[in-house]
Amino acid sequence: DTEVTQTPKHLVMGMTNKKSLKCEQHMGHRAMYWYKQKAKKPPELMFVYSYEKLSINESVPSRFSPECPNSSLLNLHLHALQPEDSALYLCASSQVGRAATYEQYFGPGTRLTVT
Amino acid sequence: GEDVEQSLFLSVREGDSSVINCTYTDSSSTYLYWYKQEPGAGLQLLTYIFSNMDMKQDQRLTVLLNKKDKHLSLRIADTQTGDSAIYFCAGRNTGFQKLVFGTGTRLLVSP
Repeated sequence: DTEVTQTPKHLVMGMTNKKSLKCEQHMGHRAMYWYKQKAKKPPELMFVYSYEKLSINESVPSRFSPECPNSSLLNLHLHALQPEDSALYLCASSQVGRAATYEQYFGPGTRLTVT
Repeated sequence: GEDVEQSLFLSVREGDSSVINCTYTDSSSTYLYWYKQEPGAGLQLLTYIFSNMDMKQDQRLTVLLNKKDKHLSLRIADTQTGDSAIYFCAGRNTGFQKLVFGTGTRLLVSP
């Protein structure tokens, strides 16, 4: 099973709203990732969690707040977003460790529209 | 940082072979991956190759790596209309979790 699930599939929110994106995997992976993808562009890395600890933050604005409650779950809390934050948000997971090949498995994404 | 370039667009007829190319600037990429993305969907891992390999074959897919020219290619044999998608190459250095993605190639397969 190489499935990563994400909810919701679509989200429309106003600039004053607070919402959360959710991601789940049951592959036993100990690294989880958030990416942002604009139309016709490659994904851009936002955050990486390894062993439930934040290991990479690619200078993402504080209106995006990640959380990793356990090894299977990853959340992205959204607050006071701007219209330019509208994008496809992708979650991924991978193994970590010396024997790992680190290939990342992606979820289907959440299409976010900020109005 | 690393730059990874791909040609923007490739059009082929059903049943032909497709070759998608990728060039990269950082020779320290030790793992190289190919992903497929259909419209409105996430990225699907197709295959990957280690930098100590020159070639890897997986059913209809053949990956070739030319380390001297820093060139990676993905050949799809007997291309089908279901192969129409955007294809991204990506590289990663040993010990680092960050993938550097190419610009993506849109493959269009016509009947």
